[in-house]
Amino acid sequence: GEDVEQSLFLSVREGDSSVINCTYTDSSSTYLYWYKQEPGAGLQLLTYIFSNMDMKQDQRLTVLLNKKDKHLSLRIADTQTGDSAIYFCAEPYSGAGSYQLTFGKGTKLSVIP
Amino acid sequence: GAVVSQHPSRVICKSGTSVKIECRSLDFQATTMFWYRQFPKQSLMLMATSNEGSKATYEQGVEKDKFLINHASLTLSTLTVTSAHPEDSSFYICSAIRSPGANVLTFGAGSRLTVL
Repeated sequence: GEDVEQSLFLSVREGDSSVINCTYTDSSSTYLYWYKQEPGAGLQLLTYIFSNMDMKQDQRLTVLLNKKDKHLSLRIADTQTGDSAIYFCAEPYSGAGSYQLTFGKGTKLSVIP
Repeated sequence: GAVVSQHPSRVICKSGTSVKIECRSLDFQATTMFWYRQFPKQSLMLMATSNEGSKATYEQGVEKDKFLINHASLTLSTLTVTSAHPEDSSFYICSAIRSPGANVLTFGAGSRLTVL
């Protein structure tokens, strides 16, 4: 079955860049996602990348995809205290077009003022 | 944009009672909704897939009679936790897709259930 792995904690200083890493198992995944969860709240889609792309940039967010190594990363430039949250990497269940997602356990990002 | 609303956001109930959680798509029709459960400091676990007008598809290990899912309209799915026990205490999150072909899920804000 699918398995998504993430480191559990990351601590950075305000203004620095944050890099959150993720490995996944299903090479047929068409899309890979990053979600953000603030305390006591649901998930907010941050960004996603199509599997035929190596990189996607959206303002302060940069997603890098290494399909060979099945490695996905999320870089947040100029990290702010409001970025403190849990970040989940997710891939669809096997099979193109599947909307059921397998999530990693989430990386808790702490931003030190 | 697509908005999914969950109600209630927090509920406390006594052991043995039943609790209903609603998931509504506010500005779009959702043919398919998903129910997830999140344990403290853990990831989301998919419980079931809810399709409008048909029976829900439950993931392995999820009790159908315990977690009743109804998707009677294109904008509403409900999860009823029957005869709740303290081990059912959890954060329940629903999500919806706008229509087939869409590639993103929209999540509700979640419902925190505490069973005393």
